[in-house]
Amino acid sequence: GAGVSQTPSNKVTEKGKYVELRCDPISGHTALYWYRQSLGQGPEFLIYFQGTGAADDSGLPNDRFFAVRPEGSVSTLKIQRTERGDSAVYLCASSSTAQETQYFGPGTRLLVL
Amino acid sequence: AQSVTQLDSQVPVFEEAPVELRCNYSSSVSVYLFWYVQYPNQGLQLLLKYLSGSTLVKGINGFEAEFNKSQTSFHLRKPSVHISDTAEYFCAVSGNTGGFKTIFGAGTRLFVKA
Repeated sequence: GAGVSQTPSNKVTEKGKYVELRCDPISGHTALYWYRQSLGQGPEFLIYFQGTGAADDSGLPNDRFFAVRPEGSVSTLKIQRTERGDSAVYLCASSSTAQETQYFGPGTRLLVL
Repeated sequence: AQSVTQLDSQVPVFEEAPVELRCNYSSSVSVYLFWYVQYPNQGLQLLLKYLSGSTLVKGINGFEAEFNKSQTSFHLRKPSVHISDTAEYFCAVSGNTGGFKTIFGAGTRLFVKA
């Protein structure tokens, strides 16, 4: 079956702009995670959803970052007033339940100029 | 809160030699432990995980890891590496009750030389 997909694969934007990153999890997976990976670092937890609700958003760096999962499937990570420091690869993962193996998408590479 | 320390940023090794990638964690609660691999230009994939039970966990591609609670370690080992094992390896931890936020280490770059 299809794995986790993320769009776009690459996004270049200017400082101060708004961006949306999309994640399509594996069908039927109730848990969905967002991570940010900077060059030379491990993935940094941002937020995880159980169904439609954000079960833990403690990793969001500030109020410019927001994520939604309105129907318990597709999720969108939204970044307002982007800054150059937001440049990174944004990874999405899903799992059948929160305790199970996470399957990662290929990531969206965000570059803020 | 949990944290993960991968003690080596890079590990060069010759083909067919054994390798150990070290991982230590800290946590105030019981944990699940994971090793993920990221091959060049590919996404993260799970190598193995410890949830409970036997402390020696076997994963894909001949890798294994041992959970040592007293030393708070979860080192990854392979008795004989191949060129194709060249990749970035990440250790990760999550709490096993009340929330499943996953914390990753900074990664260890394994470079297998012919």
